[in-house]
Amino acid sequence: QKEVEQDPGPLSVPEGAIVSLNCTYSNSAFQYFMWYRQYSRKGPELLMYTYSSGNKEDGRFTAQVDKSSKYISLFIRDSQPSDSATYLCAMSGGSSASKIIFGSGTRLSIRP
Amino acid sequence: GAVVSQHPSWVICKSGTSVKIECRSLDFQATTMFWYRQFPKQSLMLMATSNEGSKATYEQGVEKDKFLINHASLTLSTLTVTSAHPEDSSFYICSARDLKRTAGNTIYFGEGSWLTVV
Repeated sequence: QKEVEQDPGPLSVPEGAIVSLNCTYSNSAFQYFMWYRQYSRKGPELLMYTYSSGNKEDGRFTAQVDKSSKYISLFIRDSQPSDSATYLCAMSGGSSASKIIFGSGTRLSIRP
Repeated sequence: GAVVSQHPSWVICKSGTSVKIECRSLDFQATTMFWYRQFPKQSLMLMATSNEGSKATYEQGVEKDKFLINHASLTLSTLTVTSAHPEDSSFYICSARDLKRTAGNTIYFGEGSWLTVV
């Protein structure tokens, strides 16, 4: 079993729809949870990070962490064609020396 | 935000030659940098963790003699692919951790380097 599981998609939704992206994980030691966006042939860009459980909102993006279920989500409201990209979840333990483990990424396409 | 610069963006080399990729943190000091490899439509695979002034820590299955990593300063790490072969063709991405700027355990990525070995 992989430490981090993420549905690779592709996920295609119409413009304006609410998008839900999810990851599950198995390591209860993970404390930091991140979402990265990667456009084709580019490096990943940090979108959101949260510590422990809870919600965090930034503009159209909301990140949720449920440590009891080992489940994290990223919601995108009012999705735009420019949101089309691959979204990677990532997580690491509480130590600054902890490695960051990435999900496989979900390819998202927003149809105009 | 924090900026990590990677150079070159793309490189084509002949089989058997060596290629060096640079990773620089432009506005912060990075005691730790990471090197990843990504094949098309696949996720990032951590190759090694580079620590300033010490030897890199390689992940299982990554040949340290083939992928030479040097982290000579707090702002620069280099990855040298030695005796490159076509199967080494991939997207190589570096990242750097800035403990001073971030409250959480986050890292920032370079733009990546496309290596094609012919």
